[in-house]
Amino acid sequence: EIVLTQSPGTLSLSPGEGATLSCRASQSVSSSYIVWYQQRFGQAPRLLIYGASNRATGIPDRFVGSGSGTDFTLTITRLEPEDYAVYYCQQYGRSPPTFGQGTKVEIK
Amino acid sequence: QVQLVQSGAEVKRPGSSVKVSCKASAGAFGGYAINWLRQAPGQGLEWMGGILPISEMTKYAQEFEGRVTITTDKSTSTTFMELNSLTSADTAFYYCARESAPLAPGGTWWFDPWGQGTQVTVSS
Repeated sequence: EIVLTQSPGTLSLSPGEGATLSCRASQSVSSSYIVWYQQRFGQAPRLLIYGASNRATGIPDRFVGSGSGTDFTLTITRLEPEDYAVYYCQQYGRSPPTFGQGTKVEIK
Repeated sequence: QVQLVQSGAEVKRPGSSVKVSCKASAGAFGGYAINWLRQAPGQGLEWMGGILPISEMTKYAQEFEGRVTITTDKSTSTTFMELNSLTSADTAFYYCARESAPLAPGGTWWFDPWGQGTQVTVSS
């Protein structure tokens, strides 16, 4: 199965700052079949990005997904208070679908 | 927009079984697979398996094969996940989530939307 490694484990940032989250795959992910989810405390995950770079319905344009092959990035251009959460990447290019261990974005 | 509503928290003894339900509130229930995933305390997400209600075709993660059974009741738009031979390692939040593409087997695409989660605690 494809192993996804997210870094860093935790990002401590102030509101208004930018965040860069990394997701690295153990092998190439075909057709950029990567998604990103946001999980706020005590809530279920919410889809942010699919196909590596496409924003889901209702997701603000400050969330930007990019990458291909084995290296993918989620960028949050300017952090809003509601963006402090844990972010997971998931690949669906090869069964079984697998997730990274998450990056926590916390308030500095 | 479909919503998935799960059953309430469960506390189980080691060696027993748990059955969690997931009811779809609206939308084309039969044509989208419903998947089950879990999240142990402080851990990431793990796909367990899924079912395509219209065909009742199931697909399970190898790790759970033989220990998990996913079924569906089309008359009530409800999907069930039963996990047997519980141990403390099965203590987790269990989520149902809809496959993003129609008529695909479980675990093929991404998951959207998700249910609210069900806490399962295994303790003696």
